[in-house]
Amino acid sequence: DAGVIQSPRHEVTEMGQEVTLRCKPISGHDYLFWYRQTMMRGLELLIYFNNNVPIDDSGMPEDRFSAKMPNASFSTLKIQPSEPRDSAVYFCASRQLGTNTGELFFGEGSRLTVL
Amino acid sequence: LAKTTQPISMDSYEGQEVNITCSHNNIATNDYITWYQQFPSQGPRFIIQGYKTKVTNEVASLFIPADRKSSTLSLPRVSLSDTAVYYCLVGDPGGYQKVTFGTGTKLQVIP
Repeated sequence: DAGVIQSPRHEVTEMGQEVTLRCKPISGHDYLFWYRQTMMRGLELLIYFNNNVPIDDSGMPEDRFSAKMPNASFSTLKIQPSEPRDSAVYFCASRQLGTNTGELFFGEGSRLTVL
Repeated sequence: LAKTTQPISMDSYEGQEVNITCSHNNIATNDYITWYQQFPSQGPRFIIQGYKTKVTNEVASLFIPADRKSSTLSLPRVSLSDTAVYYCLVGDPGGYQKVTFGTGTKLQVIP
């Protein structure tokens, strides 16, 4: 398996623009997580899905953020409109419940810069 | 979810053994202790997990006392490539829990 795949790896955009980040989890994994990492706030959980259904979105900072998982192999995180304070690295991770360790597998991240 | 406390940063010279301790006083019966490692510009990756006593793999050892209120990640003979942030997590791997990361311990290995 290729692991968790995220795109784009880098995105530079201007304030007010819409940003869409994409994630393909590992096949067969039933949980998908979106995290945001900044120097100031560390690694924050934004939202997670179980079997494509959002379970907890309490970490989503505000209504400008939305996430979807239309099927088991694809998820998006959208920011509209984007602001400079949204600049961060966004990670997607997946896991399979029922495995011995329940470990999370992370993608390489999408580095977002909002000017 | 059990809260964890670990040192913010540590420095070590190459070749030394490094021990990072994590406190988790309110760990639940079904909770396991899991450690992740994050290199710069990469996502965290799982390195070791344990429930009690000692666990060892090719990367590290994990020591857990009988009361399970703390745990120690041990890295033998560190090299420069072990410079990373190490996160201690406590939770039930078989449970329906969201997985949150604390601040982690930033380990700097010095030549």
